[in-house]
Amino acid sequence: AQSVAQPEDQVNVAEGNPLTVKCTYSVSGNPYLFWYVQYPNRGLQFLLKYITGDNLVKGSYGFEAEFNKSQTSFHLKKPSALVSDSALYFCAVRDVSSASKIIFGSGTRLSIRP
Amino acid sequence: SQTIHQWPATLVQPVGSPLSLECTVEGTSNPNLYWYRQAAGRGLQLLFYSVGIGQISSEVPQNLSASRPQDRQFILSSKKLLLSDSGFYLCAWRATGAYEQYFGPGTRLTVT
Repeated sequence: AQSVAQPEDQVNVAEGNPLTVKCTYSVSGNPYLFWYVQYPNRGLQFLLKYITGDNLVKGSYGFEAEFNKSQTSFHLKKPSALVSDSALYFCAVRDVSSASKIIFGSGTRLSIRP
Repeated sequence: SQTIHQWPATLVQPVGSPLSLECTVEGTSNPNLYWYRQAAGRGLQLLFYSVGIGQISSEVPQNLSASRPQDRQFILSSKKLLLSDSGFYLCAWRATGAYEQYFGPGTRLTVT
């Protein structure tokens, strides 16, 4: 069975410091991976995706993610955190049994302190 | 560009009352459409998805139902709401041939 795990419920970072939000996956075949961000009482916003190609994927708002096949990871990163980055972040993987569906992780709450 | 709308934004309904939430997408044709529920600001639960008009796949058997009367319209319904139906309901769409989904602003439902 395929799955995606976000091992940290909460990540706390000081403004200006680099941030990492972790994600690991389990899927047969080539993974199609995604990151989304959700601000309070809002819908999810698509940040970036990895389908194939360069292992470092750049996305919206200065975020990037690194695909690591040997570690089955797809960590979200940003060189310098902003207070406005505080939100709930979801990692997701395409469901290989149904290309129409995406499997979401449980979410990581990112808190950036001034 | 494509946009997705959901209404109402918030809804307070008594137990046993009916429900109708609507989602529409603009700027695209033949999208895949999805209904999710999010409880307590955390994980997403896929409720229904549709790959075309009149084609509905149910992921979770419960007292909710979905319909797609038009290409870009997706409706979530219930005949009698339960307390456990409270939550944040999100509609999403995906373009044919693409992989990522795009979400609407959501509807906050409170069943009292």
